[in-house]
Amino acid sequence: TQLLEQSPQFLSIQEGENLTVYCNSSSVFSSLQWYRQEPGEGPVLLVTVVTGGEVKKLKRLTFQFGDARKDSSLHITAAQPGDTGLYLCADSNYQLIWGAGTKLIIKP
Amino acid sequence: DTGVSQDPRHKITKRGQNVTFRCDPISEHNRLYWYRQTLGQGPEFLTYFQNEAQLEKSRLLSDRFSAERPKGSFSTLEIQRTEQGDSAMYLCASSLSGRETQYFGPGTRLLVL
Repeated sequence: TQLLEQSPQFLSIQEGENLTVYCNSSSVFSSLQWYRQEPGEGPVLLVTVVTGGEVKKLKRLTFQFGDARKDSSLHITAAQPGDTGLYLCADSNYQLIWGAGTKLIIKP
Repeated sequence: DTGVSQDPRHKITKRGQNVTFRCDPISEHNRLYWYRQTLGQGPEFLTYFQNEAQLEKSRLLSDRFSAERPKGSFSTLEIQRTEQGDSAMYLCASSLSGRETQYFGPGTRLLVL
């Protein structure tokens, strides 16, 4: 059974700081998706990465996929309060297998 | 298109009662998924449909849970004889077969007292 571990579990930082969160899998990802979920809402897809070593950018968010396709990182530059949420990674097989998420709070 | 919708958004029930949730997927999407999410955890897969056929059910889906998608459009998830451990957010998602992206609804938050 594939296990996804996300770290840290919780992160609280000041507006303007940079941060990195991680997602590690016990086995190779089919493809990896990052989602953000706000309280009381469903997850919203941020990005899908497929190829080992792939880097994708979404404004101030940079997503890296490890060469071996077993790990990924999400880096946020100059975090803003609107970045607050639960960041989830998932292996996007036909059924998504999820990590437990990193709860991120950006304080103004 | 307004995306995936779920109804109700919140449900409070007493232990032992039955509850039913509805999910309306994006209209052209033929795949529909149900997930359950408890506080502080990522979602867990429950079941999925392609058109009206239920193709897979997780072992998490006990005999008290049943899901239907009778006309290949909306779906219902029923929980019979609810237990306090059923308290969770129930998420529905839809997608087009062959496409990886699942689009999620806002969820139904269930509280069993």
